[in-house]
Amino acid sequence: EPEVTQTPSHQVTQMGQEVILRCVPISNHLYFYWYRQILGQKVEFLVSFYNNEISEKSEIFDDQFSVERPDGSNFTLKIRSTKLEDSAMYFCASKPDRLNTEAFFGQGTRLTVV
Amino acid sequence: GEDVEQSLFLSVREGDSSVINCTYTDSSSTYLYWYKQEPGAGLQLLTYIFSNMDMKQDQRLTVLLNKKDKHLSLRIADTQTGDSAIYFCAESKTNNAGNMLTFGGGTRLMVKP
Repeated sequence: EPEVTQTPSHQVTQMGQEVILRCVPISNHLYFYWYRQILGQKVEFLVSFYNNEISEKSEIFDDQFSVERPDGSNFTLKIRSTKLEDSAMYFCASKPDRLNTEAFFGQGTRLTVV
Repeated sequence: GEDVEQSLFLSVREGDSSVINCTYTDSSSTYLYWYKQEPGAGLQLLTYIFSNMDMKQDQRLTVLLNKKDKHLSLRIADTQTGDSAIYFCAESKTNNAGNMLTFGGGTRLMVKP
C-alpha cells in the first residue's frame, strides 16, 4: 500500500543550525502539507503546498520556515535557524486532490533542538 | 478562530464500549474526522463524517454528529487492547488550500484486559 515516508525519524540539532526535514508523498498526490506537534500539545497546521507554491500557511510558518519540492518526488521543510521552541514532531501529509477527504500522514520526524 | 476540544484521557475494560467526545467551534466545518495515533506511529484516518450527516457506522466504529451543539463522538464497540492509542478529532472546510485540518488535543484511550 502506498505511504508517505519521512526522514529522518529523529533529528537532533544545535540551536541556530539549519535543518531540513524530508518527505516523500504518495506519487500521484497533488496537495502536500506540514503539521507539527509540540510535546503535549495539539497537532498544528504549518503550511500547504500545491502546484509548486504555498497555498496557505499558518502564523507559525514565519520567515524561518520554507518548503520546497525540488525534484518532483521529495517535499522538504527547512528551518533556517532553529530555536529551542522548534522542538516538536513534524508530520508530512499528502492528498490526491482538493476534494478528497483523506489526508495520508507520514510517521513523523522528531526534531530536538538543544 | 477554529477550536477543537477533547478530554485528555479515557480508560475502559476490554469488551466494553468506548465513547470519545469532541467539541468544535467553527460552524462552517465541512468534514469532521477521527484519527488514531499509536505509539511511535503517524496519524491514521479511522473515519470521517460530512457535516450534513448525523451518524456514520463503519464496523465497530460509530460516529455521531450533533451539529446544533457542535459535538462529535466516536463510539468503539467491543473495545480491544489493540485499540489503546491516542484519538484525535479534527475538522476541515473546503477552501483553496485543499482542506487543511484543525486538530483537537487528542484523547488517550487505555484498554485494560
